[in-house]
Amino acid sequence: EPEVTQTPSHQVTQMGQEVILRCVPISNHLYFYWYRQILGQKVEFLVSFYNNEISEKSEIFDDQFSVERPDGSNFTLKIRSTKLEDSAMYFCASPAGGRRYEQYFGPGTRLTVT
Amino acid sequence: AQKVTQAQTEISVVEKEDVTLDCVYETRDTTYYLFWYKQPPSGELVFLIRRNSFDEQNEISGRYSWNFQKSTSSFNFTITASQVVDSAVYFCALRGSGGGADGLTFGKGTHLIIQP
Repeated sequence: EPEVTQTPSHQVTQMGQEVILRCVPISNHLYFYWYRQILGQKVEFLVSFYNNEISEKSEIFDDQFSVERPDGSNFTLKIRSTKLEDSAMYFCASPAGGRRYEQYFGPGTRLTVT
Repeated sequence: AQKVTQAQTEISVVEKEDVTLDCVYETRDTTYYLFWYKQPPSGELVFLIRRNSFDEQNEISGRYSWNFQKSTSSFNFTITASQVVDSAVYFCALRGSGGGADGLTFGKGTHLIIQP
């Protein structure tokens, strides 16, 4: 399976702090996605990013969140002023090669807000 | 709006039994894509299969098989001769026909427990 990497694997932060989660998607692909999974619950779509622009976002993705592609390979999700309910696993995903309708997920970043 | 329903919250079977995980979906798109993902206890999401709405042929991959029935909006997943390593949460997901940017809509998942 194609590889997507995420850092850090676990992030602990205090309420009100800003966090940046990083993803290195499968190379040379223009589509990227962020999802979150609150512990024990289903995976929820946050945002999709195509060719350096947000393409689609869910109602969860409010002004607290932002995404960027700071360079050619990294893809970041920033959460401003974190809240307790932001504690979750955050996954990024990317298609691979010509299989643009298949999304391969990174290992996730577990965010704990205290 | 799109919706995926996995009515089985948890299934427990003894090793070597066959087990079927149900998935029912709702969408207004005429073209759509269905997926199954496996989430083992380690937490990663492992892609298992994609099925296009215009391809109703069922698929078999080793002990895994998928039954897609458009008439009942179902995309069920069967594991034959289950093994302990199959223990995981399995998610069914749906994607609409946007230009490659649509996010996946997931079901709540079925926790499959295979007992030795």
